[in-house]
Amino acid sequence: GDSVTQMEGPVTLSEEAFLTINCTYTATGYPSLFWYVQYPGEGLQLLLKATKADDKGSNKGFEATYRKETTSFHLEKGSVQVSDSAVYFCALSLIQGAQKLVFGQGTRLTINP
Amino acid sequence: EAGVAQSPRYKIIEKRQSVAFWCNPISGHATLYWYQQILGQGPKLLIQFQNNGVVDDSQLPKDRFSAERLKGVDSTLKIQPAKLEDSAVYLCASSLDRVGWETQYFGPGTRLLVL
Repeated sequence: GDSVTQMEGPVTLSEEAFLTINCTYTATGYPSLFWYVQYPGEGLQLLLKATKADDKGSNKGFEATYRKETTSFHLEKGSVQVSDSAVYFCALSLIQGAQKLVFGQGTRLTINP
Repeated sequence: EAGVAQSPRYKIIEKRQSVAFWCNPISGHATLYWYQQILGQGPKLLIQFQNNGVVDDSQLPKDRFSAERLKGVDSTLKIQPAKLEDSAVYLCASSLDRVGWETQYFGPGTRLLVL
């Protein structure tokens, strides 16, 4: 079945460090790929998405490129801030048929000043 | 634009009791989803509605969980009777439509603790 595997957490970095959170997927079709973020005390919100191979999603300094050849959608940011501390979820959804988000297990990120 | 509303935010019950959660999606959103998020895991889809019809309930434990979306707007998820393993955050989400690339908007969730 369709699945998403994320980098194990928690991840702790210093402010202004470079961030990578790995995400790989398994899907029978051609999925759309998403990164959702959950800030402390808040609900899940979309961070970025990509709908086809080689697309790059970007938002708030975060980027992720849809790599079909490696079935990956790694999240990156060049310089993290304390306010980026949150739980990050990678997810896929098949383009055909009913949308069904399949989430990874989440990666907790803590940024220290 | 108002977001997805959920209530209550927190609920504590004893096992074998019943509980109900309410969700009001973003106005105009045809598709509504209920997810279960167990601590330390990603959300898992329980049921998906398109207007007032069920599109996917393949992961809903139908012996104890039920959901409805009368009139195609707000929705109720019920658990009866609750088990200890139902302790989780129940998330409601909505989207304009159900195509694969459509963004889902999530509510704040209801945190359920079953004792």
